[in-house]
Amino acid sequence: GDSVTQMEGPVTLSEEAFLTINCTYTATGYPSLFWYVQYPGEGLQLLLKATKADDKGSNKGFEATYRKETTSFHLEKGSVQVSDSAVYFCALSPGGGGNKLTFGTGTQLKVEL
Amino acid sequence: NAGVTQTPKFRILKIGQSMTLQCTQDMNHNYMYWYRQDPGMGLKLIYYSVGAGITDKGEVPNGYNVSRSTTEDFPLRLELAAPSQTSVYFCASSGVGNHEKLFFGSGTQLSVL
Repeated sequence: GDSVTQMEGPVTLSEEAFLTINCTYTATGYPSLFWYVQYPGEGLQLLLKATKADDKGSNKGFEATYRKETTSFHLEKGSVQVSDSAVYFCALSPGGGGNKLTFGTGTQLKVEL
Repeated sequence: NAGVTQTPKFRILKIGQSMTLQCTQDMNHNYMYWYRQDPGMGLKLIYYSVGAGITDKGEVPNGYNVSRSTTEDFPLRLELAAPSQTSVYFCASSGVGNHEKLFFGSGTQLSVL
């Protein structure tokens, strides 16, 4: 079945450092890919998405590119802030319009001054 | 700006007790979901619904029941609670035409002792 693998956390960075959180997937067909973010004490919320190969999703300074050849969707940000501290989840939705998302295990990011 | 509302936020149950986790959304979304989040395991889909009167099993339905009598409400019932059901439970909803953008509640932390 479909699966998503993320790098383990926690990831601890200094403010203004460069961020990469790795995500790879296994799926049949042509899935859509997502990054969700969970701030402390809150539910998950959609950060960005990409629906086909070579698409780049972006939001709030975060970017991720759908790489079909490497089955990856790595999350990047050029300069993190303390307010970016959260848990980040990679997810996929199966091709064909399925509405059930498969989530990765989440990666906790801590940004320090 | 209520969105998805879950109650209670915290609950401790004894083995064998039963309870209902409440979820309501005010966005007129057709799709609703229940996930559980275990440490290091990501989110697992318990049950989902594509509209009032229609429910279906997700990945981990055993020990749970749901109903969807209205568009707004999607309660999750635990019968005969077991320690394996200790988890954080999230309700989510999404709309037709953008069903992959899930809106999450803030979660219910349940401990079964």
